[in-house]
Amino acid sequence: EVQLVETGGGLVQPGKSLKLTCATSGFTFSNAWMHWVRQSPEKQLEWVAQIKAKSNNYATYYAESVKGRFTISRDDSKSSVYLQMNSLKEEDTAIYYCTGYGFAYWGQGTLVTVSS
Amino acid sequence: DIQMTQSPSFLSASVGDRVTINCKASQNINKYLNWYQQKLGEAPKRLIYNTNNLQTGIPSRFSGSGSGTDYTLTISSLQPEDFATYFCLQHNSFPYTFGAGTKLELK
Repeated sequence: EVQLVETGGGLVQPGKSLKLTCATSGFTFSNAWMHWVRQSPEKQLEWVAQIKAKSNNYATYYAESVKGRFTISRDDSKSSVYLQMNSLKEEDTAIYYCTGYGFAYWGQGTLVTVSS
Repeated sequence: DIQMTQSPSFLSASVGDRVTINCKASQNINKYLNWYQQKLGEAPKRLIYNTNNLQTGIPSRFSGSGSGTDYTLTISSLQPEDFATYFCLQHNSFPYTFGAGTKLELK
């Protein structure tokens, strides 16, 4: 059974940092291109970042709204993908999902709230 | 960025109805279009990938079509469990973008 479990969300003040983790199982993680997608309180979905596999040199891509502030990474030995979020803004408030395999597999999401 | 214009935003229908939901891209997305169903408090579930490929385990009443900039999700005969919100996603070019969603409600 495929499972993706996101952790690390919470309430954080503007300007602070947070690191999200997505632990996966049930599929060949090392071959998978993984993404983070977020959903705002208004329910709009936004693609955030992608990391490709080792065979693609772990290439990364970002939405303009997070470029320079967020970093996606992975640890194939742990079948996990991460999202380091720095300089958080109130508009980063959302449910963050990890997803892979052509956006077929999704976790249950973790809520990030940025507020003073 | 490619804009995805999804219509309608709301759709009221009855069990047994045939419904269609549309997504129009601001440029050619070469059939790299997925459809998702999302229920309250749940993650999106992929129904259709690359325009017209049915995800394993999804009922055959769901189908997709389209090319170029225009894409359609069709539900041939609505069932009670189909009342939910539907999204399209283009994954042809960065940044990948989603439609704003169609909320399908029981009439």
